[in-house]
Amino acid sequence: EVELIESGGDLVQPGGSLRLSCAASGFTFNKYAISWVRQTPDKGLEWVSTIDDGGYFTYYSASVEGRFRISIDNSKNTVYLQMSSLRAEDTAKYYCARLQMIQGVPMDGFVWGQGTLVTVSS
Amino acid sequence: VMTQSPATLSVSPGETVTLSCRASQSVDAKLAWYQQRPGQAPRLLIYGASTRATGVPARVSGSGSGTEFTLTISGLQSEDFAVYYCQQSNNWPLTFGPGTRLEI
Repeated sequence: EVELIESGGDLVQPGGSLRLSCAASGFTFNKYAISWVRQTPDKGLEWVSTIDDGGYFTYYSASVEGRFRISIDNSKNTVYLQMSSLRAEDTAKYYCARLQMIQGVPMDGFVWGQGTLVTVSS
Repeated sequence: VMTQSPATLSVSPGETVTLSCRASQSVDAKLAWYQQRPGQAPRLLIYGASTRATGVPARVSGSGSGTEFTLTISGLQSEDFAVYYCQQSNNWPLTFGPGTRLEI
């Protein structure tokens, strides 16, 4: 059974940093891309970032480019999202999700974890 | 930009419902549908516009290509009352529709 477990969500002040983790199991980790998608009641679902199965290619939304960095540790079957210069508008539930990609092209849909809550507030 | 209509749909158990999703530019068949129940993560239902994900019953079907897509659920059951999102994966950034709430 595919399992994606997010952790690291917390309350952080504006301008601060946070690192989220996504631990994967139940599938061949190095054959799938992993993405982060966030959700708020106001803005709905918003794709944030994706790292390909080899960790060579990364993709970011314009709203987080330059502030967030996605990385992968294949030895631990874990993907990280390092978030810095956090803003109030980054407040959301963050999901990690599995995605099959071939040469940078998504081939299926997201299979989701249960999410972790990030709150940016003073 | 992905749009969905209607925002809310009121239906009765046992009925058949069709949800719509429109893309502002062609996404070929790179379209997925998700179901989200209250307090849960989204669940993949359909990808490639018409391919059911593992474990999704045959009464759930998707169709369309280009800019117009539909999700049809027949014989509505209590567990189907949820919010449904479409998502395109033909262009970066990947984008979602605002959702359609299916209510009794």
